[in-house]
Order: sequence, then structure tokens, then C-alpha cells
Amino acid sequence: AQKVTQAQTEISVVEKEDVTLDCVYETRDTTYYLFWYKQPPSGELVFLIRRNSFDEQNEISGRYSWNFQKSTSSFNFTITASQVVDSAVYFCALSEPWGNNRLAFGKGNQVVVIP
Amino acid sequence: EAEVAQSPRYKITEKSQAVAFWCDPISGHATLYWYRQILGQGPELLVQFQDESVVDDSQLPKDRFSAERLKGVDSTLKIQPAELGDSAMYLCASSPGTGGGTGELFFGEGSRLTVL
Repeated sequence: AQKVTQAQTEISVVEKEDVTLDCVYETRDTTYYLFWYKQPPSGELVFLIRRNSFDEQNEISGRYSWNFQKSTSSFNFTITASQVVDSAVYFCALSEPWGNNRLAFGKGNQVVVIP
Repeated sequence: EAEVAQSPRYKITEKSQAVAFWCDPISGHATLYWYRQILGQGPELLVQFQDESVVDDSQLPKDRFSAERLKGVDSTLKIQPAELGDSAMYLCASSPGTGGGTGELFFGEGSRLTVL
């Protein structure tokens, strides 16, 4: 069975500080996809990034960056120079490669950016 | 920008009453999902449709929950009778693909249910 663990529950940072969110996953599949979603107070889940299991290249997209390490089953996410608008719950998710796009979510990290 | 529409945004009901949620996915999206998110938890899949057919309802409590997508477009999720433990956010999502696990899901703002 797939499982996603996000150990931290709430993280508070002062504006402009960096914040890193940890995600550890479990799967028996050799091919899978990993995601980060953001859920602002409005409730809508917003897609941020996706990475497939064959691509361990770490990238930066604007203020977002991620560190995918297959050897440790980790998919960590960093927000650089945090802003108040980054305050939200962030979810790591894992999906099966074939069939139905079913996502298994972690419990989420509440990020609070203090002005 | 196209959005997934859900209604109502908020619903308060007494236990044993019936409640229904509606979702209109992004036009042309073949796949529709209903997720339940209990406060402080991540969303969990209740049911998935491919067009009008149910693909996965293994986590749907079928004794009280039902879902339909009769014409393969909008969908309704019903709970009857509601129980206290059903208090949660019910999220609808859609995706354009017919499967493959690669696609991005587009979520609505959710329907928050409180059962008293």
C-alpha cells in the first residue's frame, strides 16, 4: 500500500526566511509520481509541482525548489524567501502510475509566515 | 480560468438527515473524483468516475453514501443518514486524462459539512 508521511504539523517562520517541508513515502511500485499541493484558507487544493520516479533531478521554479532522493524515499519541498501569502497547508502526495490518478496524501504541513 | 465548481460551500445538518453535494468539473474533463478531508488530515479518495462509470469506490461507505455522474458531466454525492463522524470537507476534483497517474488534479473549493 502507498503511504505518505509528513512529520511536521505546524511550522512558523518569519517573512523572508526559507522553509523546508519534509515528505517520506512508501510504495511497492517502481514507477510512481510525487506531488506537492498547497491548500490556502479558501480550501481549494492548488497543484504546485510533480516529479516522476525516474527523474531525480532537483529543480527550482521561482521561489519553490524540491529535493527528490529515491534512495531515502524522500521528496522535500522548500519555499525560499517566504511571504505572508505562502501561509497555507502543504500536502505531499503519491500516485499510482497506471490506471486512475489516485492520489495518496500525507497529513499536511501548516505553514505560518509571520510578517 | 476554468474552475471546478462545488455547492454548497457550507452545510450544517443534524444527524440522521440527508445531505447532498454537487460538483461541476472543468469542461471536457473525463475523470471526476470525490475526496473527504477530515480536519487536520489529508484528503482521502471516496469515489472516482471515468465519464459516467465508477472506477473506484472501494473507500465509499456504501451503506450511507452514494455518488452518481449520470451524464458524465456533473456529479452528486449524497449522505443519508448523516452521522457526527461525517463532519468534514468534501472536495471534488477533475482531470482531463483517462488514467495513467501522471496528471494534475484540479480541485474545487470544497463543501464543508458540519453534522450536529
